[in-house]
Amino acid sequence: AAGVIQSPRHLIKEKRETATLKCYPIPRHDTVYWYQQGPGQDPQFLISFYEKMQSDKGSIPDRFSAQQFSDYHSELNMSSLELGDSALYFCASSLKGGNYGYTFGSGTRLTVV
Amino acid sequence: AQTVTQSQPEMSVQEAETVTLSCTYDTSESDYYLFWYKQPPSRQMILVIRQEAYKQQNATENRFSVNFQKAAKSFSLKISDSQLGDAAMYFCAYNQGGSEKLVFGKGTKLTVNP
Repeated sequence: AAGVIQSPRHLIKEKRETATLKCYPIPRHDTVYWYQQGPGQDPQFLISFYEKMQSDKGSIPDRFSAQQFSDYHSELNMSSLELGDSALYFCASSLKGGNYGYTFGSGTRLTVV
Repeated sequence: AQTVTQSQPEMSVQEAETVTLSCTYDTSESDYYLFWYKQPPSRQMILVIRQEAYKQQNATENRFSVNFQKAAKSFSLKISDSQLGDAAMYFCAYNQGGSEKLVFGKGTKLTVNP
């Protein structure tokens, strides 16, 4: 069965650079979520999209932005990267509401040096 | 705001034995959903089991079952016949009905000893 696809798997950037993470949800899933998981931490909700519109927002820094495109894939753009942005970034998808649980991608490991 | 607490940072179990991971949560809502997710070293977050708050019957998925105590706001995970492949970080998570985000606990690292 198709899963949530994230790219790249690993990314190394320097401080103040920009990074773009991509997410391809499971077909027919209409909601996409982004989470940030710092080392040894639990995942923290960043933002979600339902039918290409932002539907909820968590603790996402102003330096970050995201969007969902017409083909339902989503991109998380991070600018002016800081060392503290180093984390595992998960994308997940679900049917509206997430009550049945999400399906997570394998994550993108971002390292800022 | 809803919070999820996992009081056991680490647990260990012998292969083939049974282990229970604890989770409590705080909410004033009546419509919500609870989940256990497993995160092995491969780091993929995998849904283990789901419980609807309005259902009194405890959810079961093969060797995994929950003890859902709504009044006590407790949602523990029991793993029976533990296998080496069960070794992972286990996260308890809460979703409020009508909301989209999951609120996670801090996780419990489970070690399975051969």
